[in-house]
Amino acid sequence: RKEVEQDPGPFNVPEGATVAFNCTYSNSASQSFFWYRQDCRKEPKLLMSVYSSGNEDGRFTAQLNRASQYISLLIRDSKLSDSATYLCVVKSRWYQAGTALIFGKGTTLSVSS
Amino acid sequence: NAGVTQTPKFRILKIGQSMTLQCAQDMNHNYMYWYRQDPGMGLKLIYYSVGAGITDKGEVPNGYNVSRSTTEDFPLRLELAAPSQTSVYFCASSYSGLDEQFFGPGTRLTVL
Repeated sequence: RKEVEQDPGPFNVPEGATVAFNCTYSNSASQSFFWYRQDCRKEPKLLMSVYSSGNEDGRFTAQLNRASQYISLLIRDSKLSDSATYLCVVKSRWYQAGTALIFGKGTTLSVSS
Repeated sequence: NAGVTQTPKFRILKIGQSMTLQCAQDMNHNYMYWYRQDPGMGLKLIYYSVGAGITDKGEVPNGYNVSRSTTEDFPLRLELAAPSQTSVYFCASSYSGLDEQFFGPGTRLTVL
């Protein structure tokens, strides 16, 4: 099993649609979980952290299932501006001086009018 | 407050040439990181630093070197460029290992 695995998509949805992205991770000792957003030819930016109890930020809802080692991101009422690649990120690998982020390959979302 | 800056934005190298990718941050962050992102792939950690004078290898360090003489700067050195090093390189920083990482705009490197 890959360390962080995502469905690459692309997901093509109309404006106003609800879309869900899934992510699985292999290291059960993983500590922290995030969704990053990356626009075309730009740097990744933190979208939201993922908490065990689940968390919501406006139209975005993140869920974590530690037992199944599964993370999800739900986007409601999609906007054109949501078109981007969404990276599932897990903090788990220990190097000599600390942990490091492990990035999934990303799921591409295209929202059309 | 410029955040994380990287230079150059683009570079084409010939096989065997060397170059230094520059990265600087003005947020007084202790941790700095270098990642590479190949097309359709996730970011891979090359090297990281937890403070001035302290660096360590990440997942894909071969062919690269780093130094951290100041808190602000974390340059990445390619000594003998190879086509396999064609990639987009991102520098990032964070206050601690538990905090959000802020990324620079990236350097697009092509080795021919």
